[in-house]
Amino acid sequence: QVQLQESGPGLVKPSETLSLTCSVSGDSISTYYWSWIRQPPGKGLEWIGYVSGSGSTSYNPSLMSRLTISLDTSKNQFSLKLISVTTSDTAIYYCARFRNWNCDYWGQGTLVTVSS
Amino acid sequence: SSELTQDPAVSVALGQTVRITCQGDSLGTYFATWYQQKSGQAPVLVIYGKNNRPSGIPDRFSGSSSGNTASLTITGAQAEDEADYYCYSRDSGGDHVVFGTGTKVTVL
Repeated sequence: QVQLQESGPGLVKPSETLSLTCSVSGDSISTYYWSWIRQPPGKGLEWIGYVSGSGSTSYNPSLMSRLTISLDTSKNQFSLKLISVTTSDTAIYYCARFRNWNCDYWGQGTLVTVSS
Repeated sequence: SSELTQDPAVSVALGQTVRITCQGDSLGTYFATWYQQKSGQAPVLVIYGKNNRPSGIPDRFSGSSSGNTASLTITGAQAEDEADYYCYSRDSGGDHVVFGTGTKVTVL
């Protein structure tokens, strides 16, 4: 059974960098693609981007200038880095396995609040 | 356009059938995927591809499409089907993914 778990700071100050890690168990991160999705409180889902098992990436155009998604195969983890955050980046952040363009396994999500 | 539009909310009587629609230009090219999100939980994949259900998803859930509109049908809705439902597809350029606006389903 594939399991994903997000981790990282729950509070980030405006203009700083949001960094999250997704730890994967039950599957090799090199095998598939992996994605990040977020959901502002009380709002809908927003696709952030994905990274392939070989490290290639695709990003939401609206976030591309601030976003990096990367892979750490030695730890079976992938990560998200979003720079210059504002309060609009406050959301629950989910990681997911991205297989054949579908997110079939999801983490439980982690709330990140951007506030001074 | 890369937007996917859904009705904000629908209601259905227990045991009856409800159809949730998703409209967008990219749906003329790509299949929609459907996710169910119950309150306080992560989304769950319920329909993908032409009309495929992951293991564990009841067969009362089905998907279909026509032109630029995709639909998720719940036949014989149960109380546990009360949730938000999101469609999802590749965008018109095929390089990215976009979520629909979401539909809140209430089972009466």
